[in-house]
Amino acid sequence: RKEVEQDPGPFNVPEGATVAFNCTYSNSASQSFFWYRQDCRKEPKLLMSVYSSGNEDGRFTAQLNRASQYISLLIRDSKLSDSATYLCVVYGTTSGTYKYIFGTGTRLKVLA
Amino acid sequence: SAVISQKPSRDICQRGTSLTIQCQVDSQVTMMFWYRQQPGQSLTLIATANQGSEATYESGFVIDKFPISRPNLTFSTLTVSNMSPEDSSIYLCSVPLLAGGPYNEQFFGPGTRLTVL
Repeated sequence: RKEVEQDPGPFNVPEGATVAFNCTYSNSASQSFFWYRQDCRKEPKLLMSVYSSGNEDGRFTAQLNRASQYISLLIRDSKLSDSATYLCVVYGTTSGTYKYIFGTGTRLKVLA
Repeated sequence: SAVISQKPSRDICQRGTSLTIQCQVDSQVTMMFWYRQQPGQSLTLIATANQGSEATYESGFVIDKFPISRPNLTFSTLTVSNMSPEDSSIYLCSVPLLAGGPYNEQFFGPGTRLTVL
């Protein structure tokens, strides 16, 4: 089982739609959780950290469910510019070493 | 935030040769990470480069193939040795905003796109 799993997509949605991505992680001792965005042929950039109580940033809402070991990202009122790959990232320790583990990413295409 | 530059931005190399990738950060950082992103895949951590000590390599990556230098707190190099076409990938360096703790944003360099013929 992969340490961080995501549906690779692509998710093709019309402008204005609401879309949700889920991510599951295997290490129950994971400490921190993030969503990164990666545009084609660019480096990843932080979209938002995910806090235990859930958090919102404009049209984006992130949720964490530690009991079920999954993280979600909700995008409301999708824009064409939201088209990208969304990477779920988990920070924690494996064998005493802390590191960031990246999911395979979920591709989103917002269509006009 | 941190500004990170990488050189070269891209290269095309012959198999059997080696390429050294440089990563420069505009501030002093304790930890630097080197990742590989193969075509259509996500990021895989190669190693963590700590200043003043040997790099820590992840499973599947060895020092002979990917030697790393970390001469100071703002600079690191990754060498891809004895290259084969399977090494064709994007190589990225990254730094956490604050060393060690949780909720640390990682900043990435723009990446080095390597093609091995």
